[in-house]
Amino acid sequence: KAGVTQTPRYLIKTRGQQVTLSCSPISGHRSVSWYQQTPGQGLQFLFEYFSETQRNKGNFPGRFSGRQFSNSRSEMNVSTLELGDSALYLCASSGPGRGTGELFFGEGSRLTVL
Amino acid sequence: DQQVKQNSPSLSVQEGRISILNCDYTNSMFDYFLWYKKYPAEGPTFLISISSIKDKNEDGRFTVFLNKSAKHLSLHIVPSQPGDSAVYFCAATPGTYKYIFGTGTRLKVLA
Repeated sequence: KAGVTQTPRYLIKTRGQQVTLSCSPISGHRSVSWYQQTPGQGLQFLFEYFSETQRNKGNFPGRFSGRQFSNSRSEMNVSTLELGDSALYLCASSGPGRGTGELFFGEGSRLTVL
Repeated sequence: DQQVKQNSPSLSVQEGRISILNCDYTNSMFDYFLWYKKYPAEGPTFLISISSIKDKNEDGRFTVFLNKSAKHLSLHIVPSQPGDSAVYFCAATPGTYKYIFGTGTRLKVLA
């Protein structure tokens, strides 16, 4: 069973640009979540999608957005990049359950903003 | 507001001894708790979880303890092995698919 796949793995952007990251969940998983990991801040919750609907949202500015497609694949977009957006962005998928299922993470997309 | 706190950024333990990683939370609505392990350049991998209706859960060398009155959980690894060296994150959720993670504890097991 293929795991969670994230692309691209590494990317470098400059301030003011925008970026789109992609995530393919485990087959059959309909919940996809996104997290930002920075040194000293742990994993911070961005948002969670289920059946193309955003169900949960973290405390990030509107520059961070996402969407989910009918095949459960998800993308997140960051517009007007800032230096502080440099981080590892992790996607996780989860199977059916009442919200306490195990999260399966991808390897992440490491974004560097110059 | 950090709802899940791991106050020890790092921990070193001798191989074969017990590793104890701690986590505190503030939100009494959390009803499910998980521990994840993360190696460099990899995504976090699930280790063990516990529901709020329990106070202990074991899986091989890993045991998680939950003290609801103190809003505290801990992960015990016995015996510790060099391969356990990684960053450990605790996470909590009120059951809404929104998981709140701590800042992580870097465990180093010395051979």
